[in-house]
Amino acid sequence: AQTVTQSQPEMSVQEAETVTLSCTYDTSENNYYLFWYKQPPSRQMILVIRQEAYKQQNATENRFSVNFQKAAKSFSLKISDSQLGDTAMYFCAFMRGVGGSEKLVFGKGTKLTVNP
Amino acid sequence: DAGITQSPRHKVTETGTPVTLRCHQTENHRYMYWYRQDPGHGLRLIHYSYGVKDTDKGEVSDGYSVSRSKTEDFLLTLESATSSQTSVYFCAISEFGTSGRGGYEQYFGPGTRLTVT
Repeated sequence: AQTVTQSQPEMSVQEAETVTLSCTYDTSENNYYLFWYKQPPSRQMILVIRQEAYKQQNATENRFSVNFQKAAKSFSLKISDSQLGDTAMYFCAFMRGVGGSEKLVFGKGTKLTVNP
Repeated sequence: DAGITQSPRHKVTETGTPVTLRCHQTENHRYMYWYRQDPGHGLRLIHYSYGVKDTDKGEVSDGYSVSRSKTEDFLLTLESATSSQTSVYFCAISEFGTSGRGGYEQYFGPGTRLTVT
């Protein structure tokens, strides 16, 4: 079974600075997808970024980027120029790339606070 | 934003009563999922559907049943609610391989907070 570990239960960062959230996963699969979801106090789950395991290039979405290390099974999220609106729980998630009915396996989350 | 609604958004019920949560989508996506979120556990899959009348169990399916009679609606039923089912329930949808970003993403509804007293 796949597992996802987020080793930082809580983190804080000053506004405009950069922060990196860690995620490691365990799988024997070769084809899979990785995601970061953001959950602000509104409780809505928002997809931040995705990474296909077969792609070597790290995904980037505006201020959000990942460092995907397939051999190390590591998938960290870097947030640049942090904003107050980035305050949220962040969940790392794994999905096998077998078919559309595959479930997401989530880590337990990292609570990020951006301080003014 | 994906067109996903959940109803009710909040519910308080008593132990032993049946409860049905509804997920409605306007995206015509094939796959629908029910997750529950509990402190210290992240989100865990309860049941999912891969088409009308096609459903299967997730990792925490005991005490829950689902039905999908139309593409747009996915119902989660707690036959006899227990205090351990107090949680936040999320519905998600996906469309295999056809999204603009290449497929596989799951998009979530706003959640339902259920309290069983």
